[in-house]
Amino acid sequence: DIVMTQSPDSLAVSLGERATINCKSSQSVLYSSNNKNYLAWYQQKPGQPPKLLIYWASTRESGVPDRFSGSGSGTDFTLTISSLQAEDVAVYYCQQYYSTRFTFGPGTKVDIK
Amino acid sequence: EVQLLESGGGLVQPGGSLRLSCAASGFTFSSYAMSWVRQAPGKGLEWVSVIYSGGSSTYYADSVKGRFTISRDNSKNTLYLQMNSLRAEDTAVYYCAKSILWFGGRGAFDIWGQGTMVTVSS
Repeated sequence: DIVMTQSPDSLAVSLGERATINCKSSQSVLYSSNNKNYLAWYQQKPGQPPKLLIYWASTRESGVPDRFSGSGSGTDFTLTISSLQAEDVAVYYCQQYYSTRFTFGPGTKVDIK
Repeated sequence: EVQLLESGGGLVQPGGSLRLSCAASGFTFSSYAMSWVRQAPGKGLEWVSVIYSGGSSTYYADSVKGRFTISRDNSKNTLYLQMNSLRAEDTAVYYCAKSILWFGGRGAFDIWGQGTMVTVSS
C-alpha cells in the first residue's frame, strides 16, 4: 500500500497569516498517461464528515474559498491556506487515490494562535 | 440535493455481524464508484473499501479483507457493507462516500454521508 505522511502533526497560526501543510507519499501518485496527480485534500471539523477541498493535487472543489490552494507533484504535496480564518480551524487530511486501495494521511490539526 | 444517508450501525459483540446501508439521492448512483471510510473515536480517517459503478470491481483494506463485503443495488440507489467476524478495533464511525469521477474508479470523494457508529464490545 502507498503510505501517506503529513507534517506537521499540528500547527497554530494567527488570524490572517499563512498556514502550510505538507504531505508525502511513499511512491509517486503521478499517473503518466494523463499527467495527473491522484492526490486530494479534505477538511474535517469536529462532529462533521470530511469535506473535499482539493483534488488532482491542485484543483479546488466548487465552493471552496480561493484562500485554499494545493501544489506539488509526484511524492511531495502542499496545502496552503493563504490567510487563515476562524472557520478554518479543523483537521486536514491528504489522500491518494492512485492505487486501487486508497490511503489517507494521519491528519494535521490547525488552530488559531 | 445530493445526499448520502447511512444506517445500520449499533452495538455488536465481538465475532458478530452487522450490515450497513447507504441510501443515495440527488445523483445518478449507478454512474459512480462508492467507498466506505471509517474513523475510530479520536483517530484519523481509514479507507475501508470501494466498489466501482457496475459493481464488478471491489477492493478492500488489508484490515478488513476476508471479513467485510461491499456491494451495491443500483436499482435501489443503495450501497452496502456486510461486516462479519467483527473485532473491537472495528469500532468506528462508518462513512459512505461518492467518487467525483463519472464512471471512474479512482477519484476523490466529493460527497460524504453523516456516518453511522459501529461499536464492537461485549
